[in-house]
Amino acid sequence: DAKTTQPNSMESNEEEPVHLPCNHSTISGTDYIHWYRQLPSQGPEYVIHGLTSNVNNRMASLAIAEDRKSSTLILHRATLRDAAVYYCIRAGGTSYGKLTFGQGTILTVHP
Amino acid sequence: GAVVSQHPSRVICKSGTSVKIECRSLDFQATTMFWYRQFPKQSLMLMATSNEGSKATYEQGVEKDKFLINHASLTLSTLTVTSAHPEDSSFYICSASRSGLAGVPRGYEQYFGPGTRLTVT
Repeated sequence: DAKTTQPNSMESNEEEPVHLPCNHSTISGTDYIHWYRQLPSQGPEYVIHGLTSNVNNRMASLAIAEDRKSSTLILHRATLRDAAVYYCIRAGGTSYGKLTFGQGTILTVHP
Repeated sequence: GAVVSQHPSRVICKSGTSVKIECRSLDFQATTMFWYRQFPKQSLMLMATSNEGSKATYEQGVEKDKFLINHASLTLSTLTVTSAHPEDSSFYICSASRSGLAGVPRGYEQYFGPGTRLTVT
């Protein structure tokens, strides 16, 4: 049970922003929200994580709803290299380090 | 920084033989390493968690006598698939986490290796 819900797939055009949603309605107070992505035939890559506040880093932004039941990963300008499977994972508390990967969202970026 | 390597990247072995996969953190000390398995068109499944110098903790349904994990140092963990069978053919991925990063929940910023594709014939 991955405990998050994501759309199976999304499409975007190059250089346009992409908003990848994630639902985690049963999240506990100690769970962080993590995003990883996986390019074909590669290991996953850490993207970003957050707890309550919105977060920004060089790769993306993470917008977390006030009730923490959902979040959105924002890629500000999609490139072809951003085409990947994006995984939203809630984890924390006593499950030290254990990441449960769901099916993720397959992002296709069109030139 | 935070590079994890795996060796070999691909391996083909005959049924009944054993295969060892190495996972190394190249530029940091990994207090914890994780091993995952991924079948085609599926998501990653955690197999086991290993801490340096102690026995690995296996997920339910993963045979510890078949998948031997050794985490002898802070930069190296190995996974040995013993008596491999065709159903063990899969993409094996390791990850490593480091401690002591400010603001990072312990264990969750994991750095993944490139994976090892195992084919058992």
